[in-house]
Amino acid sequence: NAGVTQTPKFRILKIGQSMTLQCTQDMNHNYMYWYRQDPGMGLKLIYYSVGAGITDKGEVPNGYNVSRSTTEDFPLRLELAAPSQTSVYFCASNPSEVSNTGELFFGEGSRLTVL
Amino acid sequence: AQKITQTQPGMFVQEKEAVTLDCTYDTSDQSYGLFWYKQPSSGEMIFLIYQGSYDEQNATEGRYSLNFQKARKSANLVISASQLGDSAMYFCAMREPVGGKLIFGQGTELSVKP
Repeated sequence: NAGVTQTPKFRILKIGQSMTLQCTQDMNHNYMYWYRQDPGMGLKLIYYSVGAGITDKGEVPNGYNVSRSTTEDFPLRLELAAPSQTSVYFCASNPSEVSNTGELFFGEGSRLTVL
Repeated sequence: AQKITQTQPGMFVQEKEAVTLDCTYDTSDQSYGLFWYKQPSSGEMIFLIYQGSYDEQNATEGRYSLNFQKARKSANLVISASQLGDSAMYFCAMREPVGGKLIFGQGTELSVKP
């Protein structure tokens, strides 16, 4: 099984450029999440979705947008890249709120540098 | 608001010894879940162990156990018989009541010495 797949794995952007980080999962999970991890820090939630057509803000949503048109895909959009968005981005999924443990299944991460 | 605190930025342990990584949490909810994840230098997030707030016994998974002290709001990870491959960042996390979201602590970097 592929699990949670993120692309690209690495990307360098110039200030003001835009890009989309792609995330897809093949486990039919309802819940999906985007986290960012700054160097030496824990993960902070950017946006999450509890199903197709439903998204909500996390702790650090400014500068990002998301959409959830299908169960499988949850892309993260950066509109005007800033150096403060240099980070590692993780996409994750979860079957549902009533799953056995509620553990998140993570993608391998996408390392973004904004210069 | 819910909060997770890991006060040990870095820890050293001798190979084959046991080590405890500290985690305290703050929540007003009665039902919650606590997690530990491992992040090796390659960067992926690996789920290790889960403890539910109503679980009466401490969770165990192989060499990992979770020392859950509800009154103290602590959920320490104990790794027995440390191995060189245990060298990594370890994150404690708590599930929020809505949306299955996890909030993470800042992590503890564990180094296992031969």
